[in-house]
Amino acid sequence: EAQVTQNPRYLITVTGKKLTVTCSQNMNHEYMSWYRQDPGLGLRQIYYSMNVEVTDKGDVPEGYKVSRKEKRNFPLILESPSPNQTSLYFCATAGAASSYNEQFFGPGTRLTVL
Amino acid sequence: AQSVTQPDIHITVSEGASLELRCNYSYGATPYLFWYVQSPGQGLQLLLKYFSGDTLVQGIKGFEAEFKRSQSSFNLRKPSVHWSDAAEYFCAVSSGGSYIPTFGRGTSLIVHP
Repeated sequence: EAQVTQNPRYLITVTGKKLTVTCSQNMNHEYMSWYRQDPGLGLRQIYYSMNVEVTDKGDVPEGYKVSRKEKRNFPLILESPSPNQTSLYFCATAGAASSYNEQFFGPGTRLTVL
Repeated sequence: AQSVTQPDIHITVSEGASLELRCNYSYGATPYLFWYVQSPGQGLQLLLKYFSGDTLVQGIKGFEAEFKRSQSSFNLRKPSVHWSDAAEYFCAVSSGGSYIPTFGRGTSLIVHP
């Protein structure tokens, strides 16, 4: 079954404690992306990756890092989380078969930073 | 730069009534247009998409959308809403060359029994 998985699904942490949210896909998609969703703001892109070792900033990259060492994984790293990073995070992927235009989303990670 | 406007933050309909969710976009060339649905506690699922051709596109769950170039719109419709349609709906636009979509802020659909 084609899927995008995220872990953890829920996380409560404290300011400054480094954390990583993992994203994995089994569709061999080249394109992977991270979004955050906040009430009234819709989805905003944080970072995206067109392939292994190729990453680029989205609209709201400050305070986040990513890496793409393997095609299937695209972890989101918060080196020093702050309360304004409390949000719902989604990983999404897309492949060449749809010219990268159709995105498949993970189930989301709800992060609370105290 | 491309942009998407969903003018309605909330829409309330009765079960069995028809539905239309509005989406307007701003983009110079022919856009690629999408509607996604987000059920409570879930990720986003693609409902339908328009790339070219017939301007009336059919999607899953009985939804359809019509691309109107003259109005820069891509409104989502359903003739008879079911309680299970209660969700957040997102319109998105991308170009053929840039596969990075821009999402609207979403419309929350509330369905009354």
